[in-house]
Amino acid sequence: EAQVTQNPRYLITVTGKKLTVTCSQNMNHEYMSWYRQDPGLGLRQIYYSMNVEVTDKGDVPEGYKVSRKEKRNFPLILESPSPNQTSLYFCASRWGGSYEQYFGPGTRLTVT
Amino acid sequence: QQPVQSPQAVILREGEDAVINCSSSKALYSVHWYRQKHGEAPVFLMILLKGGEQKGHEKISASFNEKKQQSSLYLTASQLSYSGTYFCGTEKGAQKLVFGQGTRLTINP
Repeated sequence: EAQVTQNPRYLITVTGKKLTVTCSQNMNHEYMSWYRQDPGLGLRQIYYSMNVEVTDKGDVPEGYKVSRKEKRNFPLILESPSPNQTSLYFCASRWGGSYEQYFGPGTRLTVT
Repeated sequence: QQPVQSPQAVILREGEDAVINCSSSKALYSVHWYRQKHGEAPVFLMILLKGGEQKGHEKISASFNEKKQQSSLYLTASQLSYSGTYFCGTEKGAQKLVFGQGTRLTINP
């Protein structure tokens, strides 16, 4: 089944404790993105990647890191999480010849 | 700059029509529409490209007015399954997609 998977789905952590949210897609998509969703603000792009080893900042990259060492994986790293990073995070991917993005199921992160 | 959607929320009875608007202060080259059901991930509905035709899928269609820098999503004879939050997205350069704040649509029987 073609899909985008994220792990973990739910995470409660404390300020300053490094964490990684994994994202994997099995559709051989070139493009991958990370978004955060907050009430009243819609979806905001954090980082995106156009292919292996090619990443760039979205609109809200502060406090986040990403890497794209393999085409299928695009992990999101929070080196020192803070409470204002409490949010619902979505990973998405798409094929280069299409505009349609496929979203993962989301990761709900709470930083206390 | 985030596109502005209106209305923010709308409640309909099954079978009624709805229009959701998406406006931008900057020139639009494309508008993407997604729907997100409660507790689920956003799902792509359609994209409208500058100079392209009006798109449609069953009873959901959309238009793109380049001069007014806005797009409208039309839901005809709404069904219960249409409930959810609708987002428009505009491109801010290659791969940078900026979404509106969303329009919550509730369809009651």
